[in-house]
Amino acid sequence: GEEVAQTPKHLVRGEGQKAKLYCAPIKGHSYVFWYQQVLKNEFKFLISFQNENVFDETGMPKERFSAKCLPNSPCSLEIQATKLEDSAVYFCASSPSSSGQYEQYFGPGTRLTVT
Amino acid sequence: ILNVEQSPQSLHVQEGDSTNFTCSFPSSNFYALHWYRWETAKSPEALFVMTLNGDEKKKGRISATLNTKEGYSYLYIKGSQPEDSATYLCASPYSGAGSYQLTFGKGTKLSVIP
Repeated sequence: GEEVAQTPKHLVRGEGQKAKLYCAPIKGHSYVFWYQQVLKNEFKFLISFQNENVFDETGMPKERFSAKCLPNSPCSLEIQATKLEDSAVYFCASSPSSSGQYEQYFGPGTRLTVT
Repeated sequence: ILNVEQSPQSLHVQEGDSTNFTCSFPSSNFYALHWYRWETAKSPEALFVMTLNGDEKKKGRISATLNTKEGYSYLYIKGSQPEDSATYLCASPYSGAGSYQLTFGKGTKLSVIP
């Protein structure tokens, strides 16, 4: 596709439940990035992939967060045992390059609310 | 980790006014500077990627300049229209463990009053 697609748009989970978010990058883009927007306008990098391989996971909370990009499937970000502080908008972006001199194309985000 | 700052935090202008706002970033080890336009509940839209000192880029009524020696970029909007109302984000790539993850400023929220 020509746009990054993210599903669902909204997700509500009780504290302790699992949450799974999906991202379909633009066709032909090898790189996928996940960002978490917690406080107003603060985008925090979580993880990046080159095709199905983890490229950089320095932003990922190790204990409860995991992510995958499998061939012929949307990428996913999973949070086990959600906590209140996981409430955020999660953005996915894709790019044809990992170079910071290329645009990253963003999806519309998934708003996760943990109650 | 980079420190990217934007000012002002918010701005109200009358339709037809021109306006500008600032993004500051560390001048050492500069690599690139991205500008995005973002309306809530929509995808952040890439406006410019700037790499060279003195760069000036233009897209319609929006333009941006870059000064890598002093570590700032200006975004200008000429003759603001209500549809320009959005949050304008700048971001600089930081080389983490291999990929260039973007470090974002907190944005400037622009409201154009008809």
